[in-house]
Amino acid sequence: EVQLVESGGDWVQPGGSLRLSCAASGFTFSYYSMNWVRQAPGKGLEWLSYISSSGATIYNADSVKGRFTISRDNAKNSLYLQMNSLTAEDTAVYYCARDSDSSCYCEFDYWGQGTLVTVSS
Amino acid sequence: SYELTQPLSVSVALGQTARITCGGNNIGSKDVHWYQQKPGQAPVLVIYRDNNRPSGIPERVSGSNSGNTATLIISRAQDGDEADYYCQVWDSNTYVFGPGTKVTVL
Repeated sequence: EVQLVESGGDWVQPGGSLRLSCAASGFTFSYYSMNWVRQAPGKGLEWLSYISSSGATIYNADSVKGRFTISRDNAKNSLYLQMNSLTAEDTAVYYCARDSDSSCYCEFDYWGQGTLVTVSS
Repeated sequence: SYELTQPLSVSVALGQTARITCGGNNIGSKDVHWYQQKPGQAPVLVIYRDNNRPSGIPERVSGSNSGNTATLIISRAQDGDEADYYCQVWDSNTYVFGPGTKVTVL
C-alpha cells in the first residue's frame, strides 16, 4: 500500500525556518517524481515545488523561489522541504504528492495527509 | 503565468448531473486532472488526463476537455459527492491548480 507521511509541521515565528519531511513507503520511491503542495486555511491548493526521481530537475513556484528548497534522499525514501524566511502567508497545511509517471508532468496519484505549519508571533 | 478559472460553487439536486468547468487559454491542448477534497482530508484524484478514472472512482464521474474549457461531470449525484473540486494542468515548468469549486448536493 502506497503511503506518504508528512512530518515537521510546527508553530514558528516570522522570519524563522522549518524543515518538512515526507516518508514514503509501499512503492519504489526512487522511480517517482515528487511534489509539495500547500493549502492555507480556507483557501485552495497551491503547488510549491517539483523534484524529479533522481533529484536532478527541480521546479519551484514563484511564490517560494529563493526561500523554499525541495530535496530528496532516495536511500531513505524521503522527501524534504526546507523553508526559510517564513511569513504569516506561509501558514498552511503542507502536502507531499507523488507524480503518477516520471516520464511526464502528470497527475498526482497519491497524497499524504498533510502537516500544519503556523507562522505567527 | 497560466491561469485557470472555476465557478466558486455548483449546486446539484440529488440524483441529477453536476458539471464543473475549468477555463484556461487553449486548455484543450493540455492534460487536465481533477481532484476531490472533502473537509479535513487530503485531495483525491478523480479524473486524470482529461477523461480517465483511477481505480475506485465510479463510472458516473467523467471528464471532457476542448477549446478553452475542461469539464468534470458527476452523474447521478450523491450526498458523498459534496466536496471541493480542483482542476490542474502543467504549464511552463509549473503545475497550476484552479481556484476550486464547492459542490453542494441538494
